[in-house]
Amino acid sequence: KNQVEQSPQSLIILEGKNCTLQCNYTVSPFSNLRWYKQDTGRGPVSLTIMTFSENTKSNGRYTATLDADTKQSSLHITASQLSDSASYICVVRGGYSTLTFGKGTMLLVSP
Amino acid sequence: DTEVTQTPKHLVMGMTNKKSLKCEQHMGHRAMYWYKQKAKKPPELMFVYSYEKLSINESVPSRFSPECPNSSLLNLHLHALQPEDSALYLCASRHSAGGQNEQFFGPGTRLTVL
Repeated sequence: KNQVEQSPQSLIILEGKNCTLQCNYTVSPFSNLRWYKQDTGRGPVSLTIMTFSENTKSNGRYTATLDADTKQSSLHITASQLSDSASYICVVRGGYSTLTFGKGTMLLVSP
Repeated sequence: DTEVTQTPKHLVMGMTNKKSLKCEQHMGHRAMYWYKQKAKKPPELMFVYSYEKLSINESVPSRFSPECPNSSLLNLHLHALQPEDSALYLCASRHSAGGQNEQFFGPGTRLTVL
């Protein structure tokens, strides 16, 4: 069964600090992995998308890594800001039109 | 124009009402999606349209009726809903249903069924 597991479930950090979110998946076949940021009550917004051959991709203060061998990904947020408070969702695309969503990590950045 | 728009932003309806959710994109995408998301849960796929034809229906109850009148519009018609149908309804689109292309989500419609 295709699954995407994220950890931690929730996280509180001080403004300005760094943090790393984890994503493990068992989706097969693998097409790509995306990280989305979702503010409460809003639609998810894409941060990064990575294919099998990519192991690092950055988008501003967000850096995603992918290890296709161990089927793990991480999202590192540098110098966190209050506006980073949101749910971060790892989504893996497998076969045709199939997306498997993780349950998300709820991040709260505290002043 | 690189966004998916959804209307209304919020909707409150009774169990006997008939209402519709609307989604629009002008990116030339030919695959469009409806998702349902409950609080603190990931989005759940409901329907997929590919080239204006329904290609996936994830066993959604018939009180939800999708419609794709043209390549830019996607509707979700609601009738005789239950309180447990209250959720955030997300629309998404992609260039095509296959391949590596990005999926863009709309801001969602917050639906409350009384």
